[in-house]
Amino acid sequence: AQSVSQHNHHVILSEAASLELGCNYSYGGTVNLFWYVQYPGQHLQLLLKYFSGDPLVKGIKGFEAEFIKSKFSFNLRKPSVQWSDTAEYFCAVISLLNAGNMLTFGGGTRLMVKP
Amino acid sequence: KAGVTQTPRYLIKTRGQQVTLSCSPISGHRSVSWYQQTPGQGLQFLFEYFSETQRNKGNFPGRFSGRQFSNSRSEMNVSTLELGDSALYLCASSLEPGAWETQYFGPGTRLLVL
Repeated sequence: AQSVSQHNHHVILSEAASLELGCNYSYGGTVNLFWYVQYPGQHLQLLLKYFSGDPLVKGIKGFEAEFIKSKFSFNLRKPSVQWSDTAEYFCAVISLLNAGNMLTFGGGTRLMVKP
Repeated sequence: KAGVTQTPRYLIKTRGQQVTLSCSPISGHRSVSWYQQTPGQGLQFLFEYFSETQRNKGNFPGRFSGRQFSNSRSEMNVSTLELGDSALYLCASSLEPGAWETQYFGPGTRLLVL
């Protein structure tokens, strides 16, 4: 069965530190990849997505992610975090191999940024 | 334009009862998906509806069901509630199935089963 792994469940950083959150998925073929963010008390919202083309994608609020097909990874990065980045981050993947596949989410990573 | 709305926002039920949750998609969105979010399991896909038909279903027991109406509004029902059904239930709408870049999530309904 397809699965998505986020190895860091909780991350604590100080402001201005660099961030990298890992995301690995288990299945091959063509995939669409997403990172979602859920700020405290707010809706889940799309941070960035990769469908095809340049494997380095840029999203909102200075976030970026790199798709490395050989490693089945789509890690999220930000050079300098802010206190307002405190949130839960979810990686999600959908395989385009079969029609009717569902969006599969990782378990999430809770990021706390200390002011 | 208004976002995805879910009612009720909070619900407390006891084991064995049933519950119905409602989702109104963004105007013009015709696909509605439901997810269960728990601290241990993250977000898990429940089902997706389009044109009043269930297109896809996740790995949940038959106690979980849903439907979609002609105006694209959707409801999900959980019968014979169990303690483990306590979760945040999220609804997401998109223009059409597979249009993930247009998918927006609602605030969720937090269900507590006692």
